[in-house]
Amino acid sequence: ETGVTQTPRHLVMGMTNKKSLKCEQHLGHNAMYWYKQSAKKPLELMFVYSLEERVENNSVPSRFSPECPNSSHLFLHLHTLQPEDSALYLCASSQEGTGANVLTFGAGSRLTVL
Amino acid sequence: GIQVEQSPPDLILQEGANSTLRCNFSDSVNNLQWFHQNPWGQLINLFYIPSGTKQNGRLSATTVATERYSLLYISSSQTTDSGVYFCAVADSWGKFQFGAGTQVVVTP
Repeated sequence: ETGVTQTPRHLVMGMTNKKSLKCEQHLGHNAMYWYKQSAKKPLELMFVYSLEERVENNSVPSRFSPECPNSSHLFLHLHTLQPEDSALYLCASSQEGTGANVLTFGAGSRLTVL
Repeated sequence: GIQVEQSPPDLILQEGANSTLRCNFSDSVNNLQWFHQNPWGQLINLFYIPSGTKQNGRLSATTVATERYSLLYISSSQTTDSGVYFCAVADSWGKFQFGAGTQVVVTP
């Protein structure tokens, strides 16, 4: 496996379900990100784990809960979502503290909330 | 935070045409990247270009940091160039802000 891997690629869930999105990076990077991409909107940064510190966008609802057990793995736990949470969720990683901090993205997890 | 504006929002090109996409940003940045998102959602990094000019095949990019803009040039466009092109800049804290993107459609 190389690069950034996201699973599942597609997820359909009801509003009462609990599910998780998984991201794994094989690049040795020290920062990982969750972005949300809704139709016709810019990418929205949800969470950053950088050098073991979590930074979050204060507008993200508490029904989204991130977990970063180590520098290679990132999860997004989903609970009692709303239909407007349907979107493409993108994971990225980068190497902070270097001269060229380049974002590398996974292929995304497309979420549909019924 | 830094504001990032991309223009035009939409672009339709005939195969073989050249085009220029623009990214304006509101503050000094030390990191600027261009991405291409294909129809399946995959974002691919095209350039890391906080300043200067770079070229990669039919694509090139120029960033004039003192004037707070960057340009992406597509020459001899092909249908595979279709997709959305995003500009992303990082602030002094290293946090990235994306523009709204330019949707490019290249017709045969």
